[in-house]
Amino acid sequence: TQLLEQSPQFLSIQEGENLTVYCNSSSVFSSLQWYRQEPGEGPVLLVTVVTGGEVKKLKRLTFQFGDARKDSSLHITAAQPGDTGLYLCAGAGNAGKSTFGDGTTLTVKP
Amino acid sequence: DTGVSQDPRHKITKRGQNVTFRCDPISEHNRLYWYRQTLGQGPEFLTYFQNEAQLEKSRLLSDRFSAERPKGSFSTLEIQRTEQGDSAMYLCASSLWGAPEAFFGQGTRLTVV
Repeated sequence: TQLLEQSPQFLSIQEGENLTVYCNSSSVFSSLQWYRQEPGEGPVLLVTVVTGGEVKKLKRLTFQFGDARKDSSLHITAAQPGDTGLYLCAGAGNAGKSTFGDGTTLTVKP
Repeated sequence: DTGVSQDPRHKITKRGQNVTFRCDPISEHNRLYWYRQTLGQGPEFLTYFQNEAQLEKSRLLSDRFSAERPKGSFSTLEIQRTEQGDSAMYLCASSLWGAPEAFFGQGTRLTVV
């Protein structure tokens, strides 16, 4: 069974601070996705990383895929209250289905 | 087409009743997935279809659960004889074959009382 562990589980910061959340596994994934989910809604795709060592930037968000394709990180610069939500990582296997971590709940206080 | 659509958004049912949920994927997507999410956890895989063929079912999918995708377009997920432990958010997602990422609908929140 492929497992993804996300840390920290909860993170509460002030507006303007930087933060990094992590997604770790002992398994290799063909790709990894990051999603953001708000209460009562479905996950919304932020990014897909495919190549080991890959770095992708989406405005203030920077995503990195580990060289061995087992782990990933999400760094947010100058966090804003609108960044509040549950951040989920998901590893995609060859069959297309994804294994999800339990997420990091981020709260950004104004 | 604006994305994956799920209906209903919310369902409250009494224990022992049957419920059915519908998912309309993004129109050109040939893969469709069902996941279940409980509070404080990430989505858990239930089953997926490629076109009309159901290719994999999780052991989480007991014999009270059945999913169909009769014409390779929309899908239904039925739960028979619901139990309180079935209370969860049921998420549908779709993707193109070979594409690494899936796109999710807004989910159906099921509450069994």
